[in-house]
Amino acid sequence: QVTLRESGPALVKPTQTLTLTCTFSGFSLSTGAMCVNWIRQPPGKALEWLALIDWDDDEYYSTSLKTRLTISKDTSKNQVVLTMTNMDPVDTATYYCARSRGIVGAIDSWGQGTPVTVSS
Amino acid sequence: QPVLTQPPSVSGAPGQRVTISCTGSSSNIGGGFDVHWYQQIPGTAPKLLIYVNNNRPSGIPDRFSGSKSGASASLAITGLQAEDEADYYCQSYDSSLSGSVFGGGTKLTVL
Repeated sequence: QVTLRESGPALVKPTQTLTLTCTFSGFSLSTGAMCVNWIRQPPGKALEWLALIDWDDDEYYSTSLKTRLTISKDTSKNQVVLTMTNMDPVDTATYYCARSRGIVGAIDSWGQGTPVTVSS
Repeated sequence: QPVLTQPPSVSGAPGQRVTISCTGSSSNIGGGFDVHWYQQIPGTAPKLLIYVNNNRPSGIPDRFSGSKSGASASLAITGLQAEDEADYYCQSYDSSLSGSVFGGGTKLTVL
């Protein structure tokens, strides 16, 4: 059974850096085609894809947020970390980590999401 | 502005059929990249509904079906049930952006 769980601060101040951790089980990020994505959803708004890291250590980022995002993995711990710099109130959202098979593959397993509020 | 365009809302009575469109461009759907669909009940995480244009994961009723033609895709739901009331999102890959893209979402109301 594949499970993913996001963890991180619920509240960050403007200009701070957000660090989120995705801890997963039921698959390995060293297995071919396996990928972990980060996706966010502002309150009442649509899903927005942020970043992906794959089994081969390739990283992909949303072009609009590329300068602020870094994704990394610790295969031995089954964890993927996303950092987002210079947080702003418009970054307030629920952040999801999710698994896919390849960057073009469907996202077949999602975490429950973690809400993040950006406010002073 | 989402790269993939969906109608903001659709509605139908129980038992009826509804369709939700997803329009892209030559750098995503029209470029041959697959479309996937997700259902999101408010307050919960999205769930995969259709993958690779027209395939249903295990456990998804055959009332849900997908299709793709050119730069557009559609999700059809037949025999509408109250439990189908949710938000629906399409997703594909965009070669110009080198990343995944979602539609703006469609809210389905069962009358």
